[in-house]
Amino acid sequence: QVQVVESGGGVVQPGGSLRLSCAASGFSFSNYGIHWVRQAPGRGLEWVAVIWFDGSNKYYADSVKGRFTISRDSSKNTLYLQMNSLRPEDTAVYYCARERNPELYYMDVWGKGTTVTVSS
Amino acid sequence: DIVMTQSPDSLAVSLGERATITCKSSQSVLYNSNNKNYLAWYQQKPGQPPKLLIYWASTRESGVPDRFSGSGSGTDFTLTISSLQAEDVAVYYCQQYYRTPPTFGQGTRLEIK
Repeated sequence: QVQVVESGGGVVQPGGSLRLSCAASGFSFSNYGIHWVRQAPGRGLEWVAVIWFDGSNKYYADSVKGRFTISRDSSKNTLYLQMNSLRPEDTAVYYCARERNPELYYMDVWGKGTTVTVSS
Repeated sequence: DIVMTQSPDSLAVSLGERATITCKSSQSVLYNSNNKNYLAWYQQKPGQPPKLLIYWASTRESGVPDRFSGSGSGTDFTLTISSLQAEDVAVYYCQQYYRTPPTFGQGTRLEIK
C-alpha cells in the first residue's frame, strides 16, 4: 500500500525547534520528490518545501526560508523537516505529500498530517 | 508568486444538482511548448488530508468518479460536479504547479442545500 506517515509534531515554545519525519512505504522512495504542505487551524493549504527525488534541489516558501530545512534519507525511506526559530504563525497541521512526477509539483499521495503548535 | 483565486468561497447545492467552482490564476499556467495547463484540483473532507482529483486541468485521477470534471485554460478554470452526492461535501482547492512556489486557491466549501 502506497503511503506516507508523518510524525514528530507537538507543542513548542516560540523560538524553539522541532523535527518532523515522514516515513514512506509501498513505492520507490528514491524516485519521487516529496513536499511539505501545512494548514493552519481553519485555514487553507500552504506549500512549505520540496526536496527532489535525488536530493539535489530543495526549495522553500519565503515564510520559512532560513528557518526550516528539508532533507531525506533514502536508506530509511524517510523525509525530514527541521524547524527552527518557530513562531506562533507556524502553528498548523503539517502534511507530507508525494509528487506524481519529477519537478511536477502536484501531489498524489498525502499523509494524515502531524500537528505543530507554537505557543508559550 | 502566482495568486490563485477561487469563487465562490462557499456554495450550497441540492443533491443531484450541478456544482461549479471557478479558479483564476494571476498569470497563465499554460505551458506553450507542451500545451498543458499546470493546474490541479483537490478535495478535502473534514478531518482528512487533501485528495488529488484532477491534474493537467482536466485529467481525472484514477478512481475519481466521472461526475467530477475539470476544464479551462490559461488563467480561468472550472471544477464541475455534474450530480452532487452527499459524499462530495468538502472543501475544494485549486493549485498551480507552473511556477515555484506552487500555490493554492483559498478553497471553496461545498455543502448540501
